[in-house]
Amino acid sequence: TAGITQAPTSQILAAGRSMTLRCTQDMRHNAMYWYRQDLGLGLRLIHYSNTAGTTGKGEVPDGYSVSRANTDDFPLTLASAVPSQTSVYFCASSLALNTGELFFGEGSRLTVL
Amino acid sequence: GENVEQHPSTLSVQEGDSAVIKCTYSDSASNYFPWYKQELGKGPQLIIDIRSNVGEKKDQRIAVTLNKTAKHFSLHITETQPEDSAVYFCAASPHNAGNMLTFGGGTRLMVKP
Repeated sequence: TAGITQAPTSQILAAGRSMTLRCTQDMRHNAMYWYRQDLGLGLRLIHYSNTAGTTGKGEVPDGYSVSRANTDDFPLTLASAVPSQTSVYFCASSLALNTGELFFGEGSRLTVL
Repeated sequence: GENVEQHPSTLSVQEGDSAVIKCTYSDSASNYFPWYKQELGKGPQLIIDIRSNVGEKKDQRIAVTLNKTAKHFSLHITETQPEDSAVYFCAASPHNAGNMLTFGGGTRLMVKP
């Protein structure tokens, strides 16, 4: 079973360029999330979506945007990348926003030079 | 907002010994405390969780304890095995915030054969 699929697995990006990280789930989960993982800081929530058509800001939303056009896809866009956005990005989903286990993808490693 | 502190950041144990990871949280409204295990190159995976209406929960070799008065919770792994080697994250979520988790900084557990 696929679960959560993220792409690309890794990317090197020049500062100032834009980038979209893709996330697709096949579990028909209503809620989806984007986290960034930095050493010693754990995982920090960037944006989330309760259901298709709605999104919300997490703990560290600045410099990132998301959209949720349908249930399965939740892309994360960096409009103008900066070196501080170098991180590993994880997409996750859950049955609903207020219940259940988070299922994570395998991550996208982004390096901004 | 919620702040979750996790200790130690690294832990090395001999196979067969026990391992304990501790977390403290700041928001007394938090009532959901999951633990995630992240193996190398993978996304985090839920291993156990506890809600504030119980003080302890066990699942085979792993257990979690919660002290709401002191605002701390701990993960206990008994009879550790090499496959327990991973990074472990605690998290907390305030009442009605469901999966809007605040994660600790992570503990790298190494089990030496």
